[in-house]
Amino acid sequence: GNSVTQMEGPVTLSEEAFLTINCTYTATGYPSLFWYVQYPGEGLQLLLKATKADDKGSNKGFEATYRKETTSFHLEKGSVQVSDSAVYFCALRIQGAQKLVFGQGTRLTINP
Amino acid sequence: GAGVSQTPSNKVTEKGKYVELRCDPISGHTALYWYRQSLGQGPEFLIYFQGTGAADDSGLPNDRFFAVRPEGSVSTLKIQRTERGDSAVYLCASSQGLAGGDTQYFGPGTRLTVL
Repeated sequence: GNSVTQMEGPVTLSEEAFLTINCTYTATGYPSLFWYVQYPGEGLQLLLKATKADDKGSNKGFEATYRKETTSFHLEKGSVQVSDSAVYFCALRIQGAQKLVFGQGTRLTINP
Repeated sequence: GAGVSQTPSNKVTEKGKYVELRCDPISGHTALYWYRQSLGQGPEFLIYFQGTGAADDSGLPNDRFFAVRPEGSVSTLKIQRTERGDSAVYLCASSQGLAGGDTQYFGPGTRLTVL
């Protein structure tokens, strides 16, 4: 079946540290890939996406590259801020379908 | 403009009772989705509407769960004979409904607690 596996959390870093949150997927065909973020007390928001192999999605200093050969979509940021503290979800959508399939989420805490 | 809104924000009920959860999508969005998020997990798909019709209800866990969208805007998720395992945050999302998929915008969710 179609599934997403994320790096186990929680993750705690100091401000200005480099961030990687791993995400790998299993899917039929060629899915679109997403990172959603849930800030404390807020709803899920789309952070970035990529729709085909080798595409790079980017937003707010975050980046992720669609790697078909390793079935991965790892999230990276060069210098995190306290305001990046949130839960991050990796997700996929199968071609021709509308529903999103989410990973279990990774809680990130950034300390000043 | 206004985002997706959901009411109530919290619902506490007793085992065996009936509940209704409401979702108001972004104006003009033809596609509407329901997901369920258990504690410490990612959202799980329940059902997707395109207009008034349920285009994909493959995620509904059993026949106690039902959803409607009679006028193609507001949707109601209905749960009969609630069980403690139904406790979760129920999320609604909407999108423009473009072919090939488009960005889903999520509401804040309804936290359902079944005692």
